[in-house]
Amino acid sequence: GAVVSQHPSWVICKSGTSVKIECRSLDFQATTMFWYRQFPKQSLMLMATSNEGSKATYEQGVEKDKFLINHASLTLSTLTVTSAHPEDSSFYICSARDLEGRASDEQYFGPGTRLTVT
Amino acid sequence: GQQLNQSPQSMFIQEGEDVSMNCTSSSIFNTWLWYKQDPGEGPVLLIALYKAGELTSNGRLTAQFGITRKDSFLNISASIPSDVGIYFCAGQLRYGNKLVFGAGTILRVKS
Repeated sequence: GAVVSQHPSWVICKSGTSVKIECRSLDFQATTMFWYRQFPKQSLMLMATSNEGSKATYEQGVEKDKFLINHASLTLSTLTVTSAHPEDSSFYICSARDLEGRASDEQYFGPGTRLTVT
Repeated sequence: GQQLNQSPQSMFIQEGEDVSMNCTSSSIFNTWLWYKQDPGEGPVLLIALYKAGELTSNGRLTAQFGITRKDSFLNISASIPSDVGIYFCAGQLRYGNKLVFGAGTILRVKS
């Protein structure tokens, strides 16, 4: 199956700093990538939809100036958490949709990035 | 907005027992998906359902797309310790649309 990687797998940063998380589709091209946030013992909540070469679409309540998304190529999307605060500590997961995909199941999830803000 | 109600919240069962969990929605979905998530990892797709009434199996897993398109269930037969994890249902209105996830069912298996 198709593989999606995320880097880093975990990161600890100080309050007020910015953190960048990468999401890569390793063996397929993805015009669309999705960024999710998951708090402990909760479900995945979609933050934004990232489209290659255009601006991301943010879900209601997600601050676009705080969570910067860049989808510069068909295999890479980045999420930057700016001026991070402890409440931003969470598990961030991306998924990528296969360019050639015609079915819903052709959306593949990354392994997640654990962000801890101290 | 769209919401999925997933139940039960958690289950603690004996190895070898069958498991059933379900999701219901107040609105229609055209695709239902079931995922499993292990601790500290991303979700892995188990079964995808595309047609109302569809019943699909994947090994010991069986899932059905409800005829009203507002519900789905997942059954696991003869559970084993590696079935432990969190199971999520997800609905999608149309291909390309975002996925809406249920709250998850935590499965624990006693061997």
